Amino acid sequence: QVQLVQSGAEVREPGASVKVSCKASGYTFTDYYLHWVRQAPGQGLEWMAWISPDTGGTDYAQKFRGRVTLTRDTSISTAYMELGRLGSDDTAVYYCARGKPPDAFDIWGQGTMVTVSS
Amino acid sequence: QSALTQPASVSGSPGQTITISCTGTSSDVGTYNFVSWYQQHPGKAPKLMINEVIKRPSGVSNRFSGSKSGNTASLTISGLQAEDEADYFCCSYAGGNTFVVFGTGTKVTVL
Repeated sequence: QVQLVQSGAEVREPGASVKVSCKASGYTFTDYYLHWVRQAPGQGLEWMAWISPDTGGTDYAQKFRGRVTLTRDTSISTAYMELGRLGSDDTAVYYCARGKPPDAFDIWGQGTMVTVSS
Repeated sequence: QSALTQPASVSGSPGQTITISCTGTSSDVGTYNFVSWYQQHPGKAPKLMINEVIKRPSGVSNRFSGSKSGNTASLTISGLQAEDEADYFCCSYAGGNTFVVFGTGTKVTVL
């Protein structure tokens, strides 16, 4: 079946970086964009960025430009989100989600908890 | 771009019909017919319930329906069931650098 499987929980110190992976299966990886959406504890959803697995093209929310980098490896149908210069307010669950802009996110990964703490 | 405004909570008894509103602006909800709704149970990933304002993905119960008027979109749940108790988020395409904006979220309680 169509699914996105993310890497496991991470703990980082302030100022460090984290890289989260999202492996797609059950569909053609290059047919859909992959988005990254985060959710701080008890809070709402926040869109961060997208990548086109086909072209490698990306777009980032203004808030995250310069701090987030999206990449992909089409040979293993996996996308990556790297977030740098972590602060305590980056503690959140990070989700990858499939979509064809401007339409909705129809398949979501299970989420990856990133905790930033000294 | 500010988050779309949703009521913090909505409740209803089993079998009742409830409606969740999602108010945006002419820059998002009012302009684009790309409003979607997501259901999220505690500790789980969001699940797409409605896309393009009124479309229901395969497998989603027909008790869920969407609509839009002006800058406000709505999600209606009819025949409320215990399993509908969850958080619900709306989302609208907003174009440009913003891409999408999410709603503040609504907790649905089945009494």
